[in-house]
Amino acid sequence: QVQLQESGPGLVKPSGTLSLTCAVSGASFSSGTWWTWIRQPPGKGLEWIGEIYLSGSNYNPSLKSRLTISMDKSNNQFSLSLTSVTAADTAVYYCAKNGVPWYFEYWGQGILVTVSS
Amino acid sequence: QSALTQPASVSGSPGQSITISCIGTSRDNLVSWYQQHPGEAPKLIIYEVVKRPSGVSHRFSGSKSGNTASLTISGLQAEDEADYYCCSNVGGPVILYVFGTGTTVTVL
Repeated sequence: QVQLQESGPGLVKPSGTLSLTCAVSGASFSSGTWWTWIRQPPGKGLEWIGEIYLSGSNYNPSLKSRLTISMDKSNNQFSLSLTSVTAADTAVYYCAKNGVPWYFEYWGQGILVTVSS
Repeated sequence: QSALTQPASVSGSPGQSITISCIGTSRDNLVSWYQQHPGEAPKLIIYEVVKRPSGVSHRFSGSKSGNTASLTISGLQAEDEADYYCCSNVGGPVILYVFGTGTTVTVL
């Protein structure tokens, strides 16, 4: 049974850096497995943030200049770092495991991150 | 890249069938659908346009014509009341997933 769990600060100050980690169990970071971050502002729809796999990553062009997604295979987790945050980055952030091809098979429960001073 | 277009809301009585459209999908068969109950994470219900993951009710079915994908819920039940999102991989030189605007299904 694949399980994903997001963790990180629930409150970030404007202009600061939002950092989240997704712990994965029941699946390995093997070649061919993609891992994704998705977010959902309160009361709004879903937005794809980006994905990572062993050989690289793909980012949403609208966030690319502020975004880094990394992988820690030894600890079976991957992370999100978003710099220069504003109130517009307030959202529930989900991590997910991709299915093949091109869909999101398993999701974490989500973590609410609020950007406020 | 703009979000895919879905109707804001669709409603139906128990036992009826409803269809949710998703306009603007890519030409290939890379459309998925997600169900989200309030306060919960989205759940995959359809992938590759027509395929259902194990454990998903056969009452959910998908289809696609041109750039419009559709999700049909047959035999509507109270538990189907939720938000539904389509998603398509835009493809091209930059890998990009785009979600639909979301549809709230209400069971009357």
